Amino acid sequence: DTEVTQTPKHLVMGMTNKKSLKCEQHMGHRAMYWYKQKAKKPPELMFVYSYEKLSINESVPSRFSPECPNSSLLNLHLHALQPEDSALYLCASSQGLAGGQESDGQFFGPGTRLTVL
Amino acid sequence: DAKTTQPTSMDCAEGRAANLPCNHSTISGNEYVYWYRQIHSQGPQYIIHGLKNNETNEMASLIITEDRKSSTLILPHATLRDTAVYYCIVRATLRVGNTPLVFGKGTRLSVIA
Repeated sequence: DTEVTQTPKHLVMGMTNKKSLKCEQHMGHRAMYWYKQKAKKPPELMFVYSYEKLSINESVPSRFSPECPNSSLLNLHLHALQPEDSALYLCASSQGLAGGQESDGQFFGPGTRLTVL
Repeated sequence: DAKTTQPTSMDCAEGRAANLPCNHSTISGNEYVYWYRQIHSQGPQYIIHGLKNNETNEMASLIITEDRKSSTLILPHATLRDTAVYYCIVRATLRVGNTPLVFGKGTRLSVIA
């Protein structure tokens, strides 16, 4: 299995809602990532988990809350979002940040397209 | 911040080679050059990477200049399905681990029938 899966594919939510995005991989990767991509812009790194611990938070607002329950799963909990948070949210995984090898590319999921009303 | 410079857009005729340039004049010794592409509304897809030698795989070839300040991604026979945004990324590989990918603006390649 060489896929990163993300659910849901599309999500529409109001500014008072609480929702979660889910990401799963079964490649034995120990690093997982959340990126945000606005229309016609490149992906922007949000969070990095290494061995189930948060290692990088790119100054993301607290209305986005990541969680890594185990090495295969990564969640992004959403609460009190703003319309400008509407974007494609991409999950990725790689073998690991610690002791990484030069061939350690990142595998991306198809993304969740989020619309905040 | 992205450490690469790429043309904003390029066109290529179907069946011809697509040559996508990338400047990375500030690349340091422990940084690799990675290429990814993103087809519309999909997640980015790994293409190829290299350090200083030229590399080839089933998707593409990567030519890195001797001074490592620039590189060229070559798609030998472009098809309509190769229409995408192509990202050139320099990424450090450290003994303690790799750094995450940081995307620049990329090159929008349009393959024309």
